[in-house]
Amino acid sequence: SAVISQKPSRDICQRGTSLTIQCQVDSQVTMMFWYRQQPGQSLTLIATANQGSEATYESGFVIDKFPISRPNLTFSTLTVSNMSPEDSSIYLCSVDGGPSTDTQYFGPGTRLTVL
Amino acid sequence: SQQGEEDPQALSIQEGENATMNCSYKTSINNLQWYRQNSGRGLVHLILIRSNEREKHSGRLRVTLDTSKKSSSLLITASRAADTASYFCATGKTSYDKVIFGPGTSLSVIP
Repeated sequence: SAVISQKPSRDICQRGTSLTIQCQVDSQVTMMFWYRQQPGQSLTLIATANQGSEATYESGFVIDKFPISRPNLTFSTLTVSNMSPEDSSIYLCSVDGGPSTDTQYFGPGTRLTVL
Repeated sequence: SQQGEEDPQALSIQEGENATMNCSYKTSINNLQWYRQNSGRGLVHLILIRSNEREKHSGRLRVTLDTSKKSSSLLITASRAADTASYFCATGKTSYDKVIFGPGTSLSVIP
């Protein structure tokens, strides 16, 4: 399975600022996904990032608020823009497991607190 | 949107007891997966069961799937304190498609 790292692991930010979260995987993958987990809640998909194309956003999430980059097959970033306390969540990236499995593999998450 | 319901929302048991968590889903599926999350951190994939399978085992884990009832259960036998975590069921098509998560069950195993 892929080994995924995220930076930062946690951060405390002031409202109105932006934070960029990095997701690095140790092997080339086709698809990378960004999920949000609000306090005490389950995971919700923000967007899907396919290398070489624009990210595809789920209903309720927009590019201006959550711009995503996918410059190569092992790296992606998610920016949380103009943050408010409602953005306080854990943000997780995941990657596809390849053609031999239906499983996605998840990074350790970034815990964001917005004051 | 979340796929369905999980019950119980929270479960507290003594070490050594078995823990059973249930998951229901709404749409037809290709597979159903169970993940574990410790202390709000990353997710660990536990087991995947395909829509044409009825039961699957992995170590102390046993998963069942009833597609006629659109439900699945996860049984952890001989629980340990280290099993304390949140458990999520999730459905998807392939690893290239989005995964839809249930609301999760919070399991506490008391030593």
